[in-house]
Amino acid sequence: AQTVTQSQPEMSVQEAETVTLSCTYDTSESNYYLFWYKQPPSRQMILVIRQEAYKQQNATENRFSVNFQKAAKSFSLKISDSQLGDTAMYFCAFMKHRGGAQKLVFGQGTRLTINP
Amino acid sequence: NAGVMQNPRHLVRRRGQEARLRCSPMKGHSHVYWYRQLPEEGLKFMVYLQKENIIDESGMPKERFSAEFPKEGPSILRIQQVVRGDSAAYFCASSPLLGEYSTGELFFGEGSRLTVL
Repeated sequence: AQTVTQSQPEMSVQEAETVTLSCTYDTSESNYYLFWYKQPPSRQMILVIRQEAYKQQNATENRFSVNFQKAAKSFSLKISDSQLGDTAMYFCAFMKHRGGAQKLVFGQGTRLTINP
Repeated sequence: NAGVMQNPRHLVRRRGQEARLRCSPMKGHSHVYWYRQLPEEGLKFMVYLQKENIIDESGMPKERFSAEFPKEGPSILRIQQVVRGDSAAYFCASSPLLGEYSTGELFFGEGSRLTVL
């Protein structure tokens, strides 16, 4: 079974700073997807970024980028030039690529607060 | 293109009553997932369905919980004889397919918040 661990329950930074959220996972699969989802106070789950494990290049989406270390099974999220609207819960998630039932497995979440 | 639609957004039930939560996936998506989120926790997988078929229900409690996705109409998550511990947010997600497999992109609804008095 796959597990996803987020070791930082809470983080807080000043607006415009850069912040990195950590995520590690455990799997015996060789190919899979990794995700970061954002859940603001509205509780809507919003996909921030997606990485396919077979791609060596780290995914980026505007101010959001990941550091994917496959051998270490690490998948951290970096938010540059943080904004007040980035305040939310952030969840790391894993999904296997093929074979059998695919489902998202989530970490426990990191509560990020951006201070003015 | 409408997103994943869940209703009701809020549902209040007394202990022992039944709760029915509905989910309409995005247009063109034939696979639906249900997740539960307890307060201050992450999302826990419950069940994965395609039309008229349950693919994976390994996260569903063995009793009182059931899910279906009929050929016509929304997916339904049904909780019988609710207890206070069932109070949670229930999220539905749908996914497009590439062949028979998910592309890995799940689109979530806004969730249904169940409160059991």
